[in-house]
Amino acid sequence: NAGVTQTPKFRVLKTGQSMTLLCAQDMNHEYMYWYRQDPGMGLRLIHYSVGEGTTAKGEVPDGYNVSRLKKQNFLLGLESAAPSQTSVYFCASSYPLGNRVRNIQYFGAGTRLSVL
Amino acid sequence: QQQVKQSPQSLIVQKGGISIINCAYENTAFDYFPWYQQFPGKGPALLIAIRPDVSEKKEGRFTISFNKSAKQFSLHIMDSQPGDSATYFCAATYNTDKLIFGTGTRLQVFP
Repeated sequence: NAGVTQTPKFRVLKTGQSMTLLCAQDMNHEYMYWYRQDPGMGLRLIHYSVGEGTTAKGEVPDGYNVSRLKKQNFLLGLESAAPSQTSVYFCASSYPLGNRVRNIQYFGAGTRLSVL
Repeated sequence: QQQVKQSPQSLIVQKGGISIINCAYENTAFDYFPWYQQFPGKGPALLIAIRPDVSEKKEGRFTISFNKSAKQFSLHIMDSQPGDSATYFCAATYNTDKLIFGTGTRLQVFP
């Protein structure tokens, strides 16, 4: 059982370049999330999705776009990368709130992104 | 009001000692408080969680203490081991789709 898989694991971009991070989950979860993790700032929510075809903004959405065309996949796009987007990006998934396990989020291993 | 404040930022404990990490919140609507553990190079994983209708929850060496009136909760790791060295995040949520995370505590346990 793979759980939540993120690709790529590492990436170096030049300022202005674009890229897409892929998140895939095999747990049939409804909800999916993208976070960024920076030293001293914890996990900050970028965008999230409560179901196929839906997306919503989180705490730090600027400079990022997302798409949830299939239930198992959640894509995070950077259209024009900036050095401020150097970070470690985590994807997570969970069951809906009505489920007894109540929003346990399962995380991928992360993508380390450097923007030069 | 949406913040969860976590302290300390880093913690060094000797093997066998007690590690204590504290979190505080303002929003009284929060009704679920999980702790996540993250090892280097890995994603966070749920460690233990508590609801505000109980004051303490224990799972093995890990205990959450919850003080509803003070709006504070803490993680205690008894008999700390080098394998417990990780970053710990507290979090909170209330009938929404999102978790609000603290800023994290890096724990190092030395033999």
